[in-house]
Formats: sequence, C-alpha cells, structure tokens
Amino acid sequence: EAGVAQSPRYKIIEKRQSVAFWCNPISGHATLYWYQQILGQGPKLLIQFQNNGVVDDSQLPKDRFSAERLKGVDSTLKIQPAKLEDSAVYLCASSPKTSTGKVVAFFGQGTRLTVV
Amino acid sequence: AQTVTQSQPEMSVQEAETVTLSCTYDTSESDYYLFWYKQPPSRQMILVIRQEAYKQQNATENRFSVNFQKAAKSFSLKISDSQLGDAAMYFCAGDTDKLIFGTGTRLQVFP
Repeated sequence: EAGVAQSPRYKIIEKRQSVAFWCNPISGHATLYWYQQILGQGPKLLIQFQNNGVVDDSQLPKDRFSAERLKGVDSTLKIQPAKLEDSAVYLCASSPKTSTGKVVAFFGQGTRLTVV
Repeated sequence: AQTVTQSQPEMSVQEAETVTLSCTYDTSESDYYLFWYKQPPSRQMILVIRQEAYKQQNATENRFSVNFQKAAKSFSLKISDSQLGDAAMYFCAGDTDKLIFGTGTRLQVFP
C-alpha cells in the first residue's frame, strides 16, 4: 500500500514570495491533516479536512495561508506572501474514517520550507 | 480543549537498557486515543504505539509498552532492550476531536 506522498521535499523562497505544497493521502482515507513543525518543536495542526470539508482550521493564519482539498482526495497548502517565520517542515497526514472517529494518522515525509 | 505536555527535552540510554519517556495529557473528554510517534532525522512520523482511553490494559508492542494512568493524566512510554535505531525524537499525541502533539523528547542511545 502506497503511503502519504508529499512534494516538493525541499523549497527555498524569498520572503513575500508565494509557495504551494501538495499532498496525496493514502487511498480511501477520508481525513487529511496539515501540520507545521518549526525546528525543535512539535507539529502544530494547521487544518483538518474530512473528505473535502474543513473540520478545523482554527490555527491556520488565514491572512496568508490557504488550503483546499479537491474532490476529497489530493490537497494543496499555499502561503502567500511568505514570511521568515514560516520556515518550517510542513507535514501532511491522513487517516481512515471509522465510527469512533479516532484512528491512527499516517504521515508523509514532509516539505522543508526555508524562507530567506 | 486538550493539552499534551512532555517535560523531558532530552533523554539518554545505554544500548540494551530500559528508558521511560513521560507525557501528560489533559482533556475534559472521556473518550480519546493516545499515541507515541517516533520521528527520525528523515522527518517522517512513525507510529510506535497507541492506547484507547477506555481500555484499562496498557498497550504493548514488542519492546515498547505504555503506562497509562488515566486519573493522573499520565501516559509514559517504556522502551526495553534499547537499540541504536531507537535514537530519534519521540512525540506524545492525543486525539479527542483533533490530533495534537507535545513538544517532543530527543532520545539518544549510546553503545
């Protein structure tokens, strides 16, 4: 079974530029998460999708970050314009939906963003 | 609201010895899952073990086991017979309505 795919693996941009990250979850997984992990910290949940609907985006900086999940499958996370403090690893994860709603999340390898 | 607290930024253990990593999980919910994830330098989060809150029996996966004390909000991970490959960042995580993580513990394993 293929895992969660993310691209690109690395990205370097200048501040005020735009950047987009792509995630392809495990086939059949209804839930998709985007996390931001700043060096030396734990992952912070940015947004959670259930199919193509947003479940939680309370920590997404909506003035510069946006995310979408078309047709409930792939997802893109965009930053426009980027700031120096956006330098981090962006992790995508997916999990299947069950009746309890609580299952294991599987993670991709992440995208390391450096803003200079 | 839920909070996950890991108070040990770094731990070290000698190969073949046992080490315990601590975590505190606070939530007003009674139904939740707890997890320990391992993150090696490759950055990919790998599930180590999970525990359902309603189960009284502590979870075990080979050399990894947890001590879940629900009333004390404690969820520790014990690694037995430590191996060099166990060296990584370990994150405690909890899921009531969303999956959130602690700040992590860096585990070093010495030969």
